[in-house]
Amino acid sequence: QSVLTQPPSVSGAPGLRVTISCTGSRSNIGAGYGVHWYQQLPGTAPKLLIYDNTNRPSGVPDRFSGSKSGTSASLAITGLQAEDEADYYCQSYDSSLSGYVFGSGSKVTVL
Amino acid sequence: VQLVESGGGLIQPGGSLRLSCAASGFIVSSDYMNWVRQAPGKGLEWISIIYSGGSTKYADSVKGRFTISRDNSKNTLYLQMNSLRAEDTAVYYCGREYPDRGGVDVWGQGTTVTVSS
Repeated sequence: QSVLTQPPSVSGAPGLRVTISCTGSRSNIGAGYGVHWYQQLPGTAPKLLIYDNTNRPSGVPDRFSGSKSGTSASLAITGLQAEDEADYYCQSYDSSLSGYVFGSGSKVTVL
Repeated sequence: VQLVESGGGLIQPGGSLRLSCAASGFIVSSDYMNWVRQAPGKGLEWISIIYSGGSTKYADSVKGRFTISRDNSKNTLYLQMNSLRAEDTAVYYCGREYPDRGGVDVWGQGTTVTVSS
């Protein structure tokens, strides 16, 4: 049971917009700790997409955006492309566990 | 900027293994370094961090069994894994925390640990 909850799967047609939620609690997201998002293609290491809630590292397309409110965060992908099919994970710090935690992961399917 | 892991393999339950993560392009001791694992078909699990000052944290699942360390002269991160269990079977990744920003921005390619008799 992950401390951060994500929907197992999300799907959308090419060109459309999808969002992935990441629900936490007052000991992690709600405590003000930053949320980071990763994309993981099959058989590869994760890639940092969003850091500290809303920021994109250099090279990440602006089709990817992050937001945070209260005890939850979201990743939005606009203009969905076939290459976006992957697993996506959120991450934050949890003060009760005194360590970092990942979300349960969401598989994005492009219809 | 690159990380290259090594040291994975097949090990019997109760055994020990040491993973290595060689860094290039940056100084391991100046940054926060993590170990993250992924069991077959499962999600990511954070397991340990070593801060630039040398302090460490562990996930409850490995506390007391795993030890994170670094060798500054070799610019290499390590994970000593003792009392291995079947549930420790996973791909192990090392990663650098994005300096002053958070998140892991540099990842190794992963090394596979299989705990089985």
